[in-house]
Amino acid sequence: AAGVIQSPRHLIKEKRETATLKCYPIPRHDTVYWYQQGPGQDPQFLISFYEKMQSDKGSIPDRFSAQQFSDYHSELNMSSLELGDSALYFCASSASTGTRDYEQYFGPGTRLTVT
Amino acid sequence: AQTVTQSQPEMSVQEAETVTLSCTYDTSENNYYLFWYKQPPSRQMILVIRQEAYKQQNATENRFSVNFQKAAKSFSLKISDSQLGDTAMYFCAFMKQGPIVDMRFGAGTRLTVKP
Repeated sequence: AAGVIQSPRHLIKEKRETATLKCYPIPRHDTVYWYQQGPGQDPQFLISFYEKMQSDKGSIPDRFSAQQFSDYHSELNMSSLELGDSALYFCASSASTGTRDYEQYFGPGTRLTVT
Repeated sequence: AQTVTQSQPEMSVQEAETVTLSCTYDTSENNYYLFWYKQPPSRQMILVIRQEAYKQQNATENRFSVNFQKAAKSFSLKISDSQLGDTAMYFCAFMKQGPIVDMRFGAGTRLTVKP
């Protein structure tokens, strides 16, 4: 079965640079969530999109922005990177209809290292 | 706001034995979902088991079962016949009912299965 795809899997950037993370949801999933997991931490919700519109916002810094495109893939743009942004970034997707509309499927994550 | 508490940062168990991981949560919601996720060294988030709050029957998935006590807001995970591959970080997660809702995670319990 198709899973959530995230690219790149690993990314190394310097302070003050910009990074773009991509997420391709499971086919026919219309909702995308972004989570940030710092070292030794639990995942923290950043932002979600439903049908290309932002649906909820968590602890996402103003330096970050995200969007969902017409093909439902999503991109997380991170500017003015700081050392503290080093983390594993997960994307998850779900289908808003169906018997298990609440179930989120996680991608493998993108490991971002800021030096 | 919903909070999830895992009071056991680390646990260990001998191979083939049984271990129980604890989780409590706080919410004023009546309808919600609870999950246990496994995060092995690969850092992939793997869904282990799910529980709908409206169901009184405890969920089971092969060697994994839960003890869901809604009134006590407790959701423990029991792993029977522990295997070396069960070694991982385990996160308890809470999600309100709704098609587009983020998940709140506990701090995690690091489980080590010893040969």
